Formats: sequence, structure tokens, C-alpha cells
Amino acid sequence: KNEVEQSPQNLTAQEGEFITINCSYSVGISALHWLQQHPGGGIVSLFMLSSGKKKHGRLIATINIQEKHSSLHITASHPRDSAVYICAGGSTGNQFYFGTGTSLTVIP
Amino acid sequence: EAGVAQSPRYKIIEKRQSVAFWCNPISGHATLYWYQQILGQGPKLLIQFQNNGVVDDSQLPKDRFSAERLKGVDSTLKIQPAKLEDSAVYLCASSQVTGGYEKLFFGSGTQLSVL
Repeated sequence: KNEVEQSPQNLTAQEGEFITINCSYSVGISALHWLQQHPGGGIVSLFMLSSGKKKHGRLIATINIQEKHSSLHITASHPRDSAVYICAGGSTGNQFYFGTGTSLTVIP
Repeated sequence: EAGVAQSPRYKIIEKRQSVAFWCNPISGHATLYWYQQILGQGPKLLIQFQNNGVVDDSQLPKDRFSAERLKGVDSTLKIQPAKLEDSAVYLCASSQVTGGYEKLFFGSGTQLSVL
């Protein structure tokens, strides 16, 4: 069993739909990261959060430390949001634990 | 601010050949990571450096993989000899502690195909 589990593995949505990607972790972490990887591209850090909620444009990330669960929401999804979204847990100086990623396709 | 630089972007080699990847982290970032990402999987840590010292190389296949970070800045990762199962994207990342938390910055990766 991976230390970090994501669901769903694959997700297809119509443009404009509200999207949720879930992440659960079993290890102790001090911060959880949401990363975005476009096909053939590098990885971009979207959020780093240790509690509560963060919002950036149409992206919202939440974390519940007690339940060891985080969600990434995309409002009014757009085809350019199509990418692999990876959650990763880590603490300063220690190894990061990565989920296997959620492949999102947004259809026009 | 310049990001994490990696080269080459793509590499195709035959099995049993050797290959080297180069990474230049963001200036001032003390921690540098090399990850291997096989298609459909999350990144797997190969080695972590703190300045020019190795913090964690427990998952580095040391019979064929080696890495160094001379002077605590640039780093190279070498595979010798390569196997078919080494086909993957090799990601370099550096990190910075912000507000008490470590934030990762990734390079664009080197896509390796071993034929």
C-alpha cells in the first residue's frame, strides 16, 4: 500500500464542470503539495498547504489534518486544465511521498 | 528567477550503454533531489543531496546508478550500463524552506528511452 493514495486515477470531464481530486495519506507530514504535470512537461507546484484551504484562480486545495485527507478542486474546468495532478506529502529535510497521479482530460 | 535546469531533454540509447544527466538547481537551494518517474507512476526518489553531501540514496541502484553534486551546486546522475527498465523520465528538483515548510521546484525532466 502506498503512503499516499489518490483517486480517481483517471478522470474525464466536460468543459465547465466542477472537478474534485482526492488524496489520502498514511504517513506523518507537515505539508501537502499539489503538483501539475502536463504531457511532455515538467512538474509545476500548484499548492503547498499544511492546514485549511488555499485558492488560486479556479483552483482550490483543502486539507484535513485529522483525517489525513486533501482535495484539489477545479471550478469551471477548461481543456487547458488537462494534465496529471499529483499530491505529495513531505516534511522539512525528509523524503517526499508521492501519489501515483490523477490523469485529467477536459473535453471542449 | 531562473528555474531548475536539466539537460538533455530527451535521450535514446541502447541497453548496456551509459548515459549522464545534468541538473542545475535554483541558486541558493541547498537540497537537490533526483527522481525516476516511470509512465503512469508517481516520482520515485533516487537520491537526495544536502549541499554536496548525500542525505538519502537508499533507493538508488548503486550497481549501475551513480550521482554526484560537486561544490554543492550542479549535479550529475549517471547510469552505466543501462537496462531496458531504466526507460523513464528523470526529474531533478531543488527545494527551499518557506515559512517552515519545504517547497519543491522541479526541472522539466530528461526522458530516457533504452532500446
